[in-house]
Amino acid sequence: QVQLVQSGAEVKKPGASVKVSCKASGYTFIGYYIYWVRQAPGQGLEWMGWINPSGGGTSYAEKFQGRVTMTMDTSINTAYMELSGLTSDDTAVYYCTRDARGSASHLRFDPWGQGTLVTVSS
Amino acid sequence: DIQMTQPPSSLSASVGDRVTITCRSSQNIRNFLNWYQQRPGTAPKLLIYGASSLQTGVPSRFSGSGSGTDFTLTIISLQPEDFATYYCQQSYSAPWTFGQGTRVEIK
Repeated sequence: QVQLVQSGAEVKKPGASVKVSCKASGYTFIGYYIYWVRQAPGQGLEWMGWINPSGGGTSYAEKFQGRVTMTMDTSINTAYMELSGLTSDDTAVYYCTRDARGSASHLRFDPWGQGTLVTVSS
Repeated sequence: DIQMTQPPSSLSASVGDRVTITCRSSQNIRNFLNWYQQRPGTAPKLLIYGASSLQTGVPSRFSGSGSGTDFTLTIISLQPEDFATYYCQQSYSAPWTFGQGTRVEIK
């Protein structure tokens, strides 16, 4: 089945960087964009950006421009999200998800990874 | 950016109830609207896309409707596993924004 499995929880100090991985299985990795969405404790969902595994093109939400970098390694079907300059406001669960629309017109996120908790604390 | 609003932020219901959750967008998004369910401690799950298309494997007690700026998610005969938070998301234009969520609680 289609599955996204993320790396484990991280604890970082303010100013540090974090890199979260997302390993895909059960489908052709280069055929679908990977999106990253985060959720602060008790809060809603916030889109961060996407990467196209076919070619590596990216697009980032304006809020994260200059601080986020999304990459991938097609040899191991894995996408990565690196966020730098961490502050306590970046404490959140970070999810990867797939744009499942294929050739259809309606973007939709399915499935989702299990989430990676990133805690920023001094 | 397109703002998505989901009043109220929570509602109480009983098993077997019919529940309607609303979502409003700040501009016309035609039918580019998705619904997700998130149970505590788990990742969101896609329920409805294109405002009214049921995702494969989702029970038929879930349905979506609406177009333009006003949308609803309906659950007929609420089941115990349906107590969760529901988010709408517009898929019309970037940045892809979500509503703040509606939590369905046990009455």
